[in-house]
Amino acid sequence: DAKTTQPPSMDCAEGRAANLPCNHSTISGNEYVYWYRQIHSQGPQYIIHGLKNNETNEMASLIITEDRKSSTLILPHATLRDTAVYYCIVRVDTSGTYKYIFGTGTRLKVLA
Amino acid sequence: NAGVTQTPKFRILKIGQSMTLQCAQDMNHNYMYWYRQDPGMGLKLIYYSVGAGITDKGEVPNGYNVSRSTTEDFPLRLELAAPSQTSVYFCASSYKGAAGSYNSPLHFGNGTRLTVT
Repeated sequence: DAKTTQPPSMDCAEGRAANLPCNHSTISGNEYVYWYRQIHSQGPQYIIHGLKNNETNEMASLIITEDRKSSTLILPHATLRDTAVYYCIVRVDTSGTYKYIFGTGTRLKVLA
Repeated sequence: NAGVTQTPKFRILKIGQSMTLQCAQDMNHNYMYWYRQDPGMGLKLIYYSVGAGITDKGEVPNGYNVSRSTTEDFPLRLELAAPSQTSVYFCASSYKGAAGSYNSPLHFGNGTRLTVT
């Protein structure tokens, strides 16, 4: 199964863009990249996902490199409430069955 | 919609006891998943189900059993609790449509915090 690698922690100043990188060098052609975040010990929340094109929604932007071996989640104007653990996940597709394999995540701290 | 509901929120078990963690979803999702999260770690997939009557093992299935008799419910059973099963357990669900149609992201419950002593 494809795995993801993320830096264990990052800091970002409030109001600045937070850029969270993720490596998924063994990703297969039909496997999507998903991003989730987990605040305290709550259930993870969905942020965004993509296959090969860049994506944007009201929460964030997702930039996927052309070779699909890495991606970056961008929170354009980080707030204190964005302090959380961010998970980059590959959705593995095995004969039409989907599994979501989590990595260890990046702990983002937004500083006032 | 309540989304994904997990019960209980907290539980303390003695070694060797058994229990069932309950998970229910009201979104008519066909896929359901159980994950465990050890302190300071990411989530590990225990079991998953692609529909009623169909279950399969994930990354860390040993010590657990599941069943999926209805679309809504996906209980996780611990038969002989061990200290290594102390963890937070998350249930999640998603919808997978036919090829080329809509697929939803994972929706998570708020977890069950289990301590085995």
